[in-house]
Amino acid sequence: NAGVMQNPRHLVRRRGQEARLRCSPMKGHSHVYWYRQLPEEGLKFMVYLQKENIIDESGMPKERFSAEFPKEGPSILRIQQVVRGDSAAYFCASSPPMGAYGNEQFFGPGTRLTVL
Amino acid sequence: DAKTTQPPSMDCAEGRAANLPCNHSTISGNEYVYWYRQIHSQGPQYIIHGLKNNETNEMASLIITEDRKSSTLILPHATLRDTAVYYCIVIGAQKLVFGQGTRLTINP
Repeated sequence: NAGVMQNPRHLVRRRGQEARLRCSPMKGHSHVYWYRQLPEEGLKFMVYLQKENIIDESGMPKERFSAEFPKEGPSILRIQQVVRGDSAAYFCASSPPMGAYGNEQFFGPGTRLTVL
Repeated sequence: DAKTTQPPSMDCAEGRAANLPCNHSTISGNEYVYWYRQIHSQGPQYIIHGLKNNETNEMASLIITEDRKSSTLILPHATLRDTAVYYCIVIGAQKLVFGQGTRLTINP
């Protein structure tokens, strides 16, 4: 059973370009989460999605950032017009459908975005 | 989600048990205690979780006090590969709120 896949693992963009980060959840997992880790800082929740639905986007910056999890294919985190402050590690996690409160989330290896 | 307090750093000798404490005095009845760790800059790794009872798996044991206001993660025989930042998270909803965690260093 393959784990959570993220690609690319490293992404370099110039200021003003667009960044697209992809996440394929574990087989059987219908919930996807995105977290961001700025250099020397802790992980911060960004968004929680189920297939074709955004459930909680309370951690998403108001502008330039969007996320989707279509019926078919990976989840995409899209950053438009990137700025140097977007340089960070972006981690995706997935979990199976929830039972009781919370559920273990399985993290991918992350995408390291560098904005020049 | 309840706030947690962890010591910023701890050391442990290789082969000994590592006991990582966590305070969560504002935890509510339906919130679980989860532990994750992050080795260097890798993706966080799930370790264990519990609600009221003590839990054990192949990685660790989780001891939760009777009043649920604190817990301890126990790595029974720490190895050098257990050096990581350990996060105690109390969760009542789906998103994980990571604090600063405890930086555990296992010394040879």
